[in-house]
Amino acid sequence: EPEVTQTPSHQVTQMGQEVILRCVPISNHLYFYWYRQILGQKVEFLVSFYNNEISEKSEIFDDQFSVERPDGSNFTLKIRSTKLEDSAMYFCASRRLRGNPDTQYFGPGTRLTVL
Amino acid sequence: AQTVTQSQPEMSVQEAETVTLSCTYDTSESNYYLFWYKQPPSRQMILVIRQEAYKQQNATENRFSVNFQKAAKSFSLKISDSQLGDTAMYFCAFEAGANNLFFGTGTRLTVIP
Repeated sequence: EPEVTQTPSHQVTQMGQEVILRCVPISNHLYFYWYRQILGQKVEFLVSFYNNEISEKSEIFDDQFSVERPDGSNFTLKIRSTKLEDSAMYFCASRRLRGNPDTQYFGPGTRLTVL
Repeated sequence: AQTVTQSQPEMSVQEAETVTLSCTYDTSESNYYLFWYKQPPSRQMILVIRQEAYKQQNATENRFSVNFQKAAKSFSLKISDSQLGDTAMYFCAFEAGANNLFFGTGTRLTVIP
């Protein structure tokens, strides 16, 4: 069964450094998402992406964040200058269609630790 | 604005018994979808079950079933014949207009052998 993959599984970085989190969505999916979960808290939406542009973003997704689909398979989340409060689990998700009772499939997550 | 409330932070159940996890939501949308996701210690988000709001029939997936009460905006998850592998965080989630998911704060379920 196809699945969403994410790399790395764990990333440790120094405050102020840039990080890029990578995701490979399911191959015939068209809509892509990033969510984050601070330890012990609920999962929060960051951004959705379709047709090579951002569809929707939350208040969390400020100028420090950006997303890109650099090729036909990868979907990346970049944090330009990490802060301590960016430490969280970051989940990528994808779905095939919009406007249907379709499901978002989640990747296994990347644990980001900012020191 | 959409909100999802899970009022039970923690629950436990004996192996082979039945447990029900509660979820309520608030929305002005008429067409939406509700989900239960499981997050085991590995922290991966796994879809357990999905319910379309326009369907009156409650969804079932093997040992998992929901009690969807649209008027009351309630969406509870029943796990029958609980197994040790069911130990996890369970998140209720809401989606309207095929957009992003709104999650509740989760219920930590422990299955006791």
